Amino acid sequence: DAGVIQSPRHEVTEMGQEVTLRCKPISGHNSLFWYRQTMMRGLELLIYFNNNVPIDDSGMPEDRFSAKMPNASFSTLKIQPSEPRDSAVYFCASSLAHGGTAYEQYFGPGTRLTVT
Amino acid sequence: AQSVTQPDIHITVSEGASLELRCNYSYGATPYLFWYVQSPGQGLQLLLKYFSGDTLVQGIKGFEAEFKRSQSSFNLRKPSVHWSDAAEYFCAVGSTGTASKLTFGTGTRLQVTL
Repeated sequence: DAGVIQSPRHEVTEMGQEVTLRCKPISGHNSLFWYRQTMMRGLELLIYFNNNVPIDDSGMPEDRFSAKMPNASFSTLKIQPSEPRDSAVYFCASSLAHGGTAYEQYFGPGTRLTVT
Repeated sequence: AQSVTQPDIHITVSEGASLELRCNYSYGATPYLFWYVQSPGQGLQLLLKYFSGDTLVQGIKGFEAEFKRSQSSFNLRKPSVHWSDAAEYFCAVGSTGTASKLTFGTGTRLQVTL
């Protein structure tokens, strides 16, 4: 079975440019999560969706960050404009929630973003 | 609010030695608990999970964890560590209801010496 798919795996961009990260969750999963991982701050939850609806975006650092989930099989995380401090590994994860209860999340391989 | 504490940032063990990684959680109700492993350059992989029932749970790669409600702990153990176990390990607690998300600890980096 295909796991969570993320693209691109690596992204190098210049400050001020728009960056779009993509995620395809595991088929049948109804919850999707975006995380950011850095050495300084560890693993941070940015936003998560349930049944394509954003439930909690309190972890989104600034208005420069936005996320969408137009359908059950695709999500994007956009940074516009990007800044060097956005350099990190961004993970997407999905899970199957029953009655709103959290179950195990399955992580994608991540996108390593470098903003110069 | 739920929280997870992994008190050991870094642990070094010899290959073949036993391992115990500590995890303490704070959560008002019965928690859902998880251990994940992250190898360098990889995503997080689920090792094991506890939802209810038997407090000793078995996972992949020979790992096990024991849920102790009285101590609010969910420590990860392995009787004999292999060099390939060198990685970062994350403990996480899950919530119920609409706030269906996991809260992760800061991780413990395991180094294995030959």
